[in-house]
Amino acid sequence: QVQLVESGGGVVQPGGSLRLSCAASGFTFSSYGMHWVRQAPGKGLEWVAFIRYDGSNKYYADSVKGRFTISRDNSKNTLYLQMNSLRAEDTAVYYCAKDRPRWGFDPWGQGTLVTVSS
Amino acid sequence: QSVLTQPPSVSGAPGQRVTISCTGSSSNIGAGYDVHWYQQLPGTAPKLLIYGNSNRPSGVPDRFSGSKSGTSASLAITGLQAEDEADYYCQSYDSSLSGYYVFGTGTKVTVL
Repeated sequence: QVQLVESGGGVVQPGGSLRLSCAASGFTFSSYGMHWVRQAPGKGLEWVAFIRYDGSNKYYADSVKGRFTISRDNSKNTLYLQMNSLRAEDTAVYYCAKDRPRWGFDPWGQGTLVTVSS
Repeated sequence: QSVLTQPPSVSGAPGQRVTISCTGSSSNIGAGYDVHWYQQLPGTAPKLLIYGNSNRPSGVPDRFSGSKSGTSASLAITGLQAEDEADYYCQSYDSSLSGYYVFGTGTKVTVL
């Protein structure tokens, strides 16, 4: 079955960096666009970034543009999110999700928690 | 600063019908972009509930239904059950300068 497993979360100081990974299985990873979505503690969902199936185009929310970079390695079936210049307001659970055209985000991974704190 | 507005909470007794609105604008729902709905049970990841405005993925009970009109969309739950207590989010695409993919503000459904 389709499965997405995030990793790489943890505690980081303000101004620091972290790289998240999302391992995909159960589908042809190289054929689908992928998203990162985050959820701050007790808050709603916020779309973060999208990458096309071949990595040719990337899109970002204004809140992370210039600080975060989405990428993928189709040979490893893995999606990445490089997060630099982290701020307290970046504290959230980060989910990866598969893009299904006309279907939305399906499925989602279980999420990985990023805490930015000194 | 979500561009899709939902009521913070709705509640109903078991067996009742509740509806959740999702209000957008001419740059998202009103521009014809599809609306999708997600259910997030406590402590879990979101799950696709309704896609393409009104379609249910396999395995989603038919007591969940979606509709869209103009710049708004709605999710209805008929025959409310205890296991429906969760957070619900609408999602669409926004064509404004700072847009792309947008989520609603989220609605907590409480089963009384």
